[in-house]
Amino acid sequence: LAKTTQPISMDSYEGQEVNITCSHNNIATNDYITWYQQFPSQGPRFIIQGYKTKVTNEVASLFIPADRKSSTLSLPRVSLSDTAVYYCLVGRMDSSYKLIFGSGTRLLVRP
Amino acid sequence: NAGVMQNPRHLVRRRGQEARLRCSPMKGHSHVYWYRQLPEEGLKFMVYLQKENIIDESGMPKERFSAEFPKEGPSILRIQQVVRGDSAAYFCASSPKRDRAYEQYFGPGTRLTVT
Repeated sequence: LAKTTQPISMDSYEGQEVNITCSHNNIATNDYITWYQQFPSQGPRFIIQGYKTKVTNEVASLFIPADRKSSTLSLPRVSLSDTAVYYCLVGRMDSSYKLIFGSGTRLLVRP
Repeated sequence: NAGVMQNPRHLVRRRGQEARLRCSPMKGHSHVYWYRQLPEEGLKFMVYLQKENIIDESGMPKERFSAEFPKEGPSILRIQQVVRGDSAAYFCASSPKRDRAYEQYFGPGTRLTVT
């Protein structure tokens, strides 16, 4: 499974757009990029998954450049409730049931 | 459709006692995964089960830990003779099928404290 690197923490203010970048230089051809969100005292929650270019859902957007060696999770107009830890995971969608969570990025949204 | 349920949410055990953690997957999900999270760390995979089968237990300590997912009833993670180092949050997740295993639905966790 590809190793990922993401910032330890980020600060933002309500209403701002937040972009969290994840590096995965040794991503394999069959690997997908998945992001999870974890609120304090709760289990992680799947946010979004993508393979290339851009994916958007009701929660976030995921931007993946052509070389796929990095990806950016974009949260539009964050609110206080978006304060959480965000994990970037890389692996084969069909066989990587063994989710590997790094330390994640702690996002703090201030009023 | 209820989510993944875990109980108890909090469990306190003295050293040497047994801890039993229960997990009921989402309705229609037959794949269950257990993870452990130490304070300020990411989740670590422990075991993957399907009904009546252990598929992968490579992340589980070889001694004192066991897991099952019987034909009827919840999945159970059992820790015998607990030690202080077992204090952690234990999360269960489920998925509907193997080829979507990257999209797992997590329960609220059981926080085990060993005194």
